[in-house]
Amino acid sequence: AQSVTQPDIHITVSEGASLELRCNYSYGATPYLFWYVQSPGQGLQLLLKYFSGDTLVQGIKGFEAEFKRSQSSFNLRKPSVHWSDAAEYFCAVGAEDDMRFGAGTRLTVKP
Amino acid sequence: DTGVSQDPRHKITKRGQNVTFRCDPISEHNRLYWYRQTLGQGPEFLTYFQNEAQLEKSRLLSDRFSAERPKGSFSTLEIQRTEQGDSAMYLCASSFTGNGAPLHFGNGTRLTVT
Repeated sequence: AQSVTQPDIHITVSEGASLELRCNYSYGATPYLFWYVQSPGQGLQLLLKYFSGDTLVQGIKGFEAEFKRSQSSFNLRKPSVHWSDAAEYFCAVGAEDDMRFGAGTRLTVKP
Repeated sequence: DTGVSQDPRHKITKRGQNVTFRCDPISEHNRLYWYRQTLGQGPEFLTYFQNEAQLEKSRLLSDRFSAERPKGSFSTLEIQRTEQGDSAMYLCASSFTGNGAPLHFGNGTRLTVT
């Protein structure tokens, strides 16, 4: 069965600094991979997705993620973080019928 | 596209009472999902529908939980004889059919069982 691990529960970065959120997955075939963002009290919003092809995918709000099959990773990056990026970030792996989510990484942005 | 809407946003109930939540998906989407999210965790899959057919149920969905999607449009999730452990955010999502189709989430219903 597929599973997702986000090793970092909480990350704090300064505004303007770069960001990398880690995600490792376990899945028997080529996975469908996603990153979602959740603000407090809200549902999840899709940032980007990987299906196949180019391993570097671009998303909304200046985010990108790189799929590395050899490392079973799909890390999320942003070159310069804005205060409005403070939220919870979830990595997910999609199978035929359901999507499994990691436990999330909470991002705090320092002024 | 008005997005996925869920009602109510918040529900406080006493242990042992029944509660029902409603989800209205994006109209063009034929798949509808229910997830449960507890504090500090990612969403956990509960069940999903393809049109009006309920195709999969997680073992997390005990006999006290029932979900319906009678006309393949909106869905309801009912919890009977609520327990304190049922306190969570219940998220609804919808999508097109197809492997890996991204989910579009509503803002959830937060249930508190006292």
